[in-house]
Amino acid sequence: EVQVVESGGGLVQPGGSLKLSCAASGFTFSGSAMHWVRQASGKGLEWVGRIRSKANNYATAYAASVKGRFTISRDDSKNTAYLQMNSLKTEDTAVYYCTRAPQDYGGNQYYFDYWGQGTLVTVSS
Amino acid sequence: QSALTQPPSASGSPGQSVTISCTGTSSDVGGYNYVSWYQQHPGKAPKLMIYEVNRRPSGVPDRFSASKSGNTASLTVSGLQAEDEADYYCSSYAGSNTWVFGGGTKLTVL
Repeated sequence: EVQVVESGGGLVQPGGSLKLSCAASGFTFSGSAMHWVRQASGKGLEWVGRIRSKANNYATAYAASVKGRFTISRDDSKNTAYLQMNSLKTEDTAVYYCTRAPQDYGGNQYYFDYWGQGTLVTVSS
Repeated sequence: QSALTQPPSASGSPGQSVTISCTGTSSDVGGYNYVSWYQQHPGKAPKLMIYEVNRRPSGVPDRFSASKSGNTASLTVSGLQAEDEADYYCSSYAGSNTWVFGGGTKLTVL
């Protein structure tokens, strides 16, 4: 059974930092690209960023809204992806989802098939 | 990276069909056949319903179909059922290793 479980959310002050984790099981994590997507309360989904597999040099990409502040990494030995969030702003308040692209090459890298339940990040003073 | 444009709401009676549009630009929806659709029930994670414009993952009922013309993609739900009531989001690859989502459409089954 595939499982994707996010953790690490919480309350943080503006300008602060937080690191989210995404633990995966039930599929070949090391061969998968992992994405982060967020959703502010009552709002739509927003793509945050992606990290590719070792075969693709762990390449990362980010949305313009978080570039330079957020960093995605992964530890394949732990089947876990991370989202390091620095210089947090109130507008970063959202539920953060971790999701997988079925493959890290070809057409199957462009959509998301397994999602976690999300972890809530609240940026407030 | 502007969000794709979806109508805020759509509705239909049980058994009817409803179509939700998703309008982007030639840099995203119109430029790639990598449009996907997600269903999200309140408090739940999104669920993949359609990928690569019109392909259904196993387990998704064939009542769900989709297409694309130019910069606009569409999701059609036929034979509406009560459990189809949810928020629906389109997504597209937007080039340069970025993705974009639509603002979401709340589907109400009357």
